[in-house]
Amino acid sequence: DTEVTQTPKHLVMGMTNKKSLKCEQHMGHRAMYWYKQKAKKPPELMFVYSYEKLSINESVPSRFSPECPNSSLLNLHLHALQPEDSALYLCASSPGKGGVDTQYFGPGTRLTVL
Amino acid sequence: AQTVTQSQPEMSVQEAETVTLSCTYDTSESDYYLFWYKQPPSRQMILVIRQEAYKQQNATENRFSVNFQKAAKSFSLKISDSQLGDAAMYFCAYRFYLTQGGSEKLVFGKGTKLTVNP
Repeated sequence: DTEVTQTPKHLVMGMTNKKSLKCEQHMGHRAMYWYKQKAKKPPELMFVYSYEKLSINESVPSRFSPECPNSSLLNLHLHALQPEDSALYLCASSPGKGGVDTQYFGPGTRLTVL
Repeated sequence: AQTVTQSQPEMSVQEAETVTLSCTYDTSESDYYLFWYKQPPSRQMILVIRQEAYKQQNATENRFSVNFQKAAKSFSLKISDSQLGDAAMYFCAYRFYLTQGGSEKLVFGKGTKLTVNP
């Protein structure tokens, strides 16, 4: 099973709202990732968690706040977003044990900020 | 810094024909991994094939194969017997491993949109 699930599939929020995106995997992977993807563009890395610790933050604005409650779950908390933050947010996971660590992607959450 | 270049924004192929997507990259490392991912209109990113730089042999997965030219830093994807379901955005990606923390980082090319004509 190479499934990464993400909820919700679609999210519309105002600039003053607080919302959260959720990602889950049950493959025993120890590395999890958040990417942002604009239309017709490649994914851009936002955050990397390794063994539940934040290992990479690609200078993402503080209105995006990641959280890794356990090895299977990854959240992205959203607050005071801007319309330009509208995008597809992808979660991915990989074994995190070195060697050929293939990243497996979820279907994404389509976020619209009004 | 590692960069990945896909010079073909769009490609088209007739069903059952063969098509080759190009990818070049720049790196100073000697050992690394390269990937091709496919993202159909339904948007889920799916791994197509991967290549380890230290392996001379080109990777093959059913109808998908790569032409890996390490000296030229080229990593093209060949799709044989193209099918309608192959229509998607294809991304070439370079992976480097972060020894601290045990995670990795993927650098993607800009993608090639493949259309398959019936």
